[in-house]
Amino acid sequence: DTGVSQNPRHKITKRGQNVTFRCDPISEHNRLYWYRQTLGQGPEFLTYFQNEAQLEKSRLLSDRFSAERPKGSFSTLEIQRTEQGDSAMYLCASRSGHLQETQYFGPGTRLLVL
Amino acid sequence: KQEVTQIPAALSVPEGENLVLNCSFTDSAIYNLQWFRQDPGKGLTSLLLIQSSQREQTSGRLNASLDKSSGRSTLYIAASQPGDSATYLCAVRPNDYKLSFGAGTTVTVRA
Repeated sequence: DTGVSQNPRHKITKRGQNVTFRCDPISEHNRLYWYRQTLGQGPEFLTYFQNEAQLEKSRLLSDRFSAERPKGSFSTLEIQRTEQGDSAMYLCASRSGHLQETQYFGPGTRLLVL
Repeated sequence: KQEVTQIPAALSVPEGENLVLNCSFTDSAIYNLQWFRQDPGKGLTSLLLIQSSQREQTSGRLNASLDKSSGRSTLYIAASQPGDSATYLCAVRPNDYKLSFGAGTTVTVRA
């Protein structure tokens, strides 16, 4: 079990550029989550996949954000036309279908928009 | 909307002292409650998960209690060590889709 992995770990970009993050969940987990965490706050839910289906999106996920999980395995989160307010840690988590199981979190991707 | 509050926001104690971290939530309709640890710039590590039907969970020096009807949970860490210094996050799971987190309590254990 290699755990949840995220790439890149750090990303610095200029305002207006597009960025894409990747999350590889634990292999047998069919549920995948994206969260955003700003300094001094707890993570906030962004979106949720069950297999390849995106079942819920938070209002935090503006139309500049898009997430995919094309084959029900890895997922990508893209931010178009980045703004300074997008600077945050983006966390991915996965879990199995068992109702009582915890979510396992990756190390996160820290984004800085200049 | 589920609101999760953690008090205090920060805590500094000498090594060996017991730690008491508090979490409150507004909607008692939850599947479970979880305590996580987060080191600076890192992801989250699950410490304890309490199902809604349970009153407490224990793991080593850690004990977490849950009073669902009053919307409260407490994390106790016995005989604190400098390695316990981190941010501790409380999260409730109101449905199948997501966790709702508090802002965390940042703990410093002084050697």
